[in-house]
Amino acid sequence: EDQVTQSPEALRLQEGESSSLNCSYTVSGLRGLFWYRQDPGKGPEFLFTLYSAGEEKEKERLKATLTKKESFLHITAPKPEDSATYLCAVQETSGSRLTFGEGTQLTVNP
Amino acid sequence: NAGVTQTPKFRVLKTGQSMTLLCAQDMNHEYMYWYRQDPGMGLRLIHYSVGEGTTAKGEVPDGYNVSRLKKQNFLLGLESAAPSQTSVYFCASNLAGPYEQYFGPGTRLTVT
Repeated sequence: EDQVTQSPEALRLQEGESSSLNCSYTVSGLRGLFWYRQDPGKGPEFLFTLYSAGEEKEKERLKATLTKKESFLHITAPKPEDSATYLCAVQETSGSRLTFGEGTQLTVNP
Repeated sequence: NAGVTQTPKFRVLKTGQSMTLLCAQDMNHEYMYWYRQDPGMGLRLIHYSVGEGTTAKGEVPDGYNVSRLKKQNFLLGLESAAPSQTSVYFCASNLAGPYEQYFGPGTRLTVT
């Protein structure tokens, strides 16, 4: 059974204070690892897909990396508008379904 | 493009009542999904469809039924609502393959 664990559950940062969110996963065969951002009262918004260990993707202040057991979402010099819940999900090679972690709630204070 | 839309946005039901949630997508996606999101539980898959006329059970299918009569629509039905079905429901869709899912804005359902 696929498992996804995200840590920490909640993170408070000061504006400009860089940090990382962790997503540990267990899957029989990884087809893709997905990062989403979710704002309160809205649906998840797609950020990145990573397919193989060693892969990295960047978008503005966010950078996602992948190893064989975990993924990190690095946030460089965050701004208050980066405050949201960040969700990680894995898709195994045998299907189309995603297994989601519970998310990390990020708050960036000005 | 509207993307993925869901109706209604909010609903309050009494125990035992029935209702249908509608999801529509205009991206010509083959795959569609219904999730529920509860505090401390994350997003959990209820049912999904890999094409028109097909449906399959997800992680938490009990108490729900689905239909996909048209490619662009995916309906989620609650035949006899229970308080345990109080949740936020999200619909999603994607192209076949290792591609990102696009989510709708959600339906907040309360069962009293």
